[in-house]
Amino acid sequence: GGIITQTPKFLIGQEGQKLTLKCQQNFNHDTMYWYRQDSGKGLRLIYYSITENDLQKGDLSEGYDASREKKSSFSLTVTSAQKNEMAVFLCASSILGYQDTQYFGPGTRLLVL
Amino acid sequence: SQLAEENLWALSVHEGESVTVNCSYKTSITALQWYRQKSGEGPAQLILIRSNEREKRNGRLRATLDTSSQSSSLSITATRCEDTAVYFCATDFTGANTGKLTFGHGTILRVHP
Repeated sequence: GGIITQTPKFLIGQEGQKLTLKCQQNFNHDTMYWYRQDSGKGLRLIYYSITENDLQKGDLSEGYDASREKKSSFSLTVTSAQKNEMAVFLCASSILGYQDTQYFGPGTRLLVL
Repeated sequence: SQLAEENLWALSVHEGESVTVNCSYKTSITALQWYRQKSGEGPAQLILIRSNEREKRNGRLRATLDTSSQSSSLSITATRCEDTAVYFCATDFTGANTGKLTFGHGTILRVHP
């Protein structure tokens, strides 16, 4: 088995601030994903990466940057935090393949004051 | 956009009862996944059912897939309080081998003692 670790668990930021969220996986999976989850809603894909140094935009990439530094890690940056923003950011990984199972981390909870 | 959508936003049952969550989609798919997300955790896959399968079981869970009506169901028998969670259906509409899943909005299930 493996595990996905997300840091930090909670993140409180100020309006306009640049905030970075980190994700590590030890599954040795090729593909990694960042999703945003708003209260009571489904998951929306922000960025994904099918291999080291690859980046693909999801449906919600505006306002975010991402970086796949190595196979095991995938970072997400909120380029300018929006006032009163509150969401959970979920990282996932999968073996590259169609209709693959995705394994999720516990999430980073963001609150912008 | 084409989304895998659960039909009900919330369900409430008592322990021991059975419950079914439904999902409908708008185009042909090759597989559909069911995920469960407990409070404070990331989603975890329960069942992946492929288009050539009508039914798939995992313990107390049973998923069905009807490609003619473009719908799927997830049934839980002998529910327990720990089944309280949000249940999502998800599928890859792209067909491009990216593992890019589209998630439905989720159905909240509460199991009362």
